[in-house]
Amino acid sequence: AQKITQTQPGMFVQEKEAVTLDCTYDTSDQSYGLFWYKQPSSGEMIFLIYQGSYDEQNATEGRYSLNFQKARKSANLVISASQLGDSAMYFCAMREDDYKLSFGAGTTVTVRA
Amino acid sequence: AAGVIQSPRHLIKEKRETATLKCYPIPRHDTVYWYQQGPGQDPQFLISFYEKMQSDKGSIPDRFSAQQFSDYHSELNMSSLELGDSALYFCASALGSETQYFGPGTRLLVL
Repeated sequence: AQKITQTQPGMFVQEKEAVTLDCTYDTSDQSYGLFWYKQPSSGEMIFLIYQGSYDEQNATEGRYSLNFQKARKSANLVISASQLGDSAMYFCAMREDDYKLSFGAGTTVTVRA
Repeated sequence: AAGVIQSPRHLIKEKRETATLKCYPIPRHDTVYWYQQGPGQDPQFLISFYEKMQSDKGSIPDRFSAQQFSDYHSELNMSSLELGDSALYFCASALGSETQYFGPGTRLLVL
């Protein structure tokens, strides 16, 4: 079964607007971590934000925030005040007890001027 | 801040040849992970090392092997290369089970 599901293959967002990228996950572990990574067209994988399963507060890192709803098993990424440089592929990933990351299929974000 | 270093960045090989990819983790990171990302795909876990010992193994072909050395750098050895091995290979490092930071990747093309 797919551990991470990203249902939005691609999204367009206007510059300076906010965009929400969906991510749902499936695990039976009590302790796990959820991550978002950004992959620009150049190929590198850039860490954006992390949410632990026991964290009660939603994680925030600058313009990135993670809307964590544990009961619904969702960990959506919100990018506020989008910039042209935000155009990239975004991957949601989960770390379970075995520590390796399982990735979703990714969402391509295109920011329009 | 120092990042993960991977070499080479690009590699072109013929079928049945061998390739060695190198990874230098962030200083003081003791864990290395290798991932393979095919064209248009998400990264897939290959293998990991913690304190120079193999800690986990994923969908890594028997033709591939890897190790972590005393200075914590890691090498992924790939033999009898096939066309389907063409991919972006990432190394990521972490301090124990903490956040994995990825290197820039090695883009391998098998002709």
